Parts: sequence; C-alpha cells; structure tokens
Amino acid sequence: NAGVTQTPKFQVLKTGQSMTLQCAQDMNHNSMYWYRQDPGMGLRLIYYSASEGTTDKGEVPNGYNVSRLNKREFSLRLESAAPSQTSVYFCASSDFWTGGRLAKNIQYFGAGTRLSVL
Amino acid sequence: GENVEQHPSTLSVQEGDSAVIKCTYSDSASNYFPWYKQELGKGPQLIIDIRSNVGEKKDQRIAVTLNKTAKHFSLHITETQPEDSAVYFCAASKAAGNKLTFGGGTRVLVKP
Repeated sequence: NAGVTQTPKFQVLKTGQSMTLQCAQDMNHNSMYWYRQDPGMGLRLIYYSASEGTTDKGEVPNGYNVSRLNKREFSLRLESAAPSQTSVYFCASSDFWTGGRLAKNIQYFGAGTRLSVL
Repeated sequence: GENVEQHPSTLSVQEGDSAVIKCTYSDSASNYFPWYKQELGKGPQLIIDIRSNVGEKKDQRIAVTLNKTAKHFSLHITETQPEDSAVYFCAASKAAGNKLTFGGGTRVLVKP
C-alpha cells in the first residue's frame, strides 16, 4: 500500500517548456487534489477532482491544466512553464467521510515534486 | 471564500517546553479544522482534527481548541521533543465541502 505516489520528484525546465506531473493513489479515494507550496504561503489549491470524471479550479489555476485519467490517477500539466511556477507541487487524495451532518475531509499527500523553471 | 491566517510563522522552543500555534478563519460556515505536520522533504500528514461540535480535543501531547464565536482555533504541543521540529499547517473546511483552505504554516524548531 504505497498511498499517494508522485513522479517525478525533481524537475528543471526552461521557460516555455511543457511537462506533466503524474499522481496515482491506491486507496480507492474518490477525490484528488493538486497544490503548490511556496515559502510563507502555505498550500494553495490549483485544481481538484471531487470524483472520477469531474475537475474544478482551485485558488490558483492559471497556467495549469489537469486530467483525471481514472479513479487512481490525476495529472497536472504545465503547457508553457514560467519562472513564477517554480514551486513544490503536492498531490493529495481523500475520501469524504460524513458522521451525521458534520463531515471530515482527511487528505493524504504524496512526497511532492520540486520544480524549477529557469 | 474562506481565508485562514496562522501565527506565528516561526517558533523556537526549548525541549520540554510547550508550543502554541494559533489560526483564525473568516467563514462562519466552516466546521472542520484539521492540523497537518510536514517533516523535511515529505508531504503534510494529518496529526489531529476537530469538528465544530466540540471545543477541545487531546491526543497524548497534542491538543486542539476551538472558539467558534471568535473564529479561532489553536494547536498546543506539550513537553516538546526534537522530533516535533517540523512545519505545521492549520486548515478549515465546510460541511459537504471537498476543499480545505490552509494557513500559511508555522516552522517549529525544538532546541535540545
């Protein structure tokens, strides 16, 4: 049971190059997320997929696209990388648990991808 | 949308002392408040959470308190140990919501 697996762990791009970050989870979770982490700014949601077949924008979606390939996999694509996209990217998954009216959204994170755009 | 502010951004404590991290949230509809710990080179991991129908929750050396009226919640770590050194994030979420809004994080350093 690997949890959430992200590839690659490190990547260096030149401005204008494109790349896809891969994420897979083996916990049979319905929801998956992509975050970016910048110093002092916490975790900011880029896109999420509440369930297979759906995707929605988060707080900072500009410059990114996503694909929910199947229930296990959720990829993040940078079509034309910019230096402002230098960051650490985290994928997470969750299964929404409800206990009566109050709900929990426990998210499980991958180890991250460190991306530098020169 | 929801806005979560977290203070302090860095915290240095002597081993054995207590550490307190505070968060405020803006949306009164939020009712689930988790805390995540991120060790160096790893992704965040849930350490404790609290729902709005309780005011306090404890798990060994960590505890969370929630003041719904003031819209703030806190993480308390007692008898700190070197392995408590990490970045801690608070977050908030609404009922039936798939999204968490995270605070900016607190880097905790426990000095031996």
